[in-house]
Amino acid sequence: EIVMTQSPATLSVSPGERATLSCRASQTVSSYLAWYQQKPGQAPRLLIYGASTRATGIPARFSGSGSVTEFTLTISSLQSEDFAFYYCQQYNYWPLTFGGGTKVEIK
Amino acid sequence: EVQLVESGGDLVKPGGSLRLSCVTSGFTFSNAWMSWVRQAPGKGLEWVGRIKSELEGGPTDYAGPVRGRFTISRDDSKNTLYLQMNSLKTEDTADYYCTTGIWYGDLGYFDYWGQGTLVTVSS
Repeated sequence: EIVMTQSPATLSVSPGERATLSCRASQTVSSYLAWYQQKPGQAPRLLIYGASTRATGIPARFSGSGSVTEFTLTISSLQSEDFAFYYCQQYNYWPLTFGGGTKVEIK
Repeated sequence: EVQLVESGGDLVKPGGSLRLSCVTSGFTFSNAWMSWVRQAPGKGLEWVGRIKSELEGGPTDYAGPVRGRFTISRDDSKNTLYLQMNSLKTEDTADYYCTTGIWYGDLGYFDYWGQGTLVTVSS
């Protein structure tokens, strides 16, 4: 099973600042990597797939990069609605696995 | 608009059974491969299992922790997905989400999610 490790566990950022979240895979997952956002009490929402392609309706301030085993989700200028949990998920190997998540909180 | 509405979550004793339902609309359910993903309280996401379309024979796949205890099924006439959970354990306590996916061969990611239904396993 591919283990996905996200860091940091918690990221404290001021509104308007840039946030950089990391996701590492225990084996290569090529570019088969998705990112999700989850707000308290809500279902996850797809942000990014294919490591760097934004899902429909996702603002341009969200960008994904990386390949093989190292991936990054960048939020260029944090808005109030962006404070949430973020999860990565690999889909290069069975079973499908998620990272443990990063909480982005207001500094 | 794609909608996924789960129901059936409840408090159940260890060793008990429960069936979750997910009523869908806004897409061609009969063609869709559907999954269940769960999230224990305060924890991350865990894929539970998947069912392919009936056109492909409706085969299922399960994560290790639930294999042999959980069964996913579908009723295309009702656009409904099910999760039958038997021999429940305390560690099965979680919100259970119904999801659609985008699949590349056998693997994929999840593009639409229901609001979830809470299963609590406790004596």
